[in-house]
Amino acid sequence: GDSVTQTEGQVALSEEDFLTIHCNYSASGYPTLFWYVQYPGEGPQLLFRASRDKEKGSSRGFEATYDKGTTSFHLRKASVQESDSAVYYCALSDRTNAYKVIFGKGTHLHVLP
Amino acid sequence: EAGVTQSPRYAVLQEGQAVSFWCDPISGHDTLYWYQQPRDQGPQLLVYFRDEAVIDNSQLPSDRFSAVRPKGTNSTLKIQSAKQGDTATYLCASSFWTNEQYFGPGTRLTVL
Repeated sequence: GDSVTQTEGQVALSEEDFLTIHCNYSASGYPTLFWYVQYPGEGPQLLFRASRDKEKGSSRGFEATYDKGTTSFHLRKASVQESDSAVYYCALSDRTNAYKVIFGKGTHLHVLP
Repeated sequence: EAGVTQSPRYAVLQEGQAVSFWCDPISGHDTLYWYQQPRDQGPQLLVYFRDEAVIDNSQLPSDRFSAVRPKGTNSTLKIQSAKQGDTATYLCASSFWTNEQYFGPGTRLTVL
């Protein structure tokens, strides 16, 4: 079945460091890809999504580009802040059942002041 | 606009007890989802509704879990005879005509 792989379970950075969180997916066709962020005690919040090859999603300084060739949707931010500390989830929804969203295991980002 | 609300926020049970979770989606949202999120894992879809109809409950452990949305608005997820393996956060989400889902804060369940 469809799946999402996030290779980093934990990432620790200092403020103003560059962030990359890797996301690769396995699915047929062109699934919609998402990045969600979850803060302690809250549900996940959608950061952004992308539906077509080479489409860039962005929000709050975070961005990711849909790459069909490498089946990737890596999350990047040029300069992280302590307030970015949270869990980040890559997710996809299948074209044949767009309402069924499959989440990766998540990446804990810790930003030190 | 009010977000998705869930209650209770926390529940602690002994094995074998029953528990119900309640969800009030964003007003006007036709699609409602229930997810299970074990500690340090991503949300896993249990069931989702469009209006009052169950669209997919293939991941719902049907022998002990049940979910209803009788009027196409609020929803209840019930666990009969809880097990320690049910310990997780239960998230409700809603959407309207898209797969852009809005999540509630969740109910954190601990089964002793």
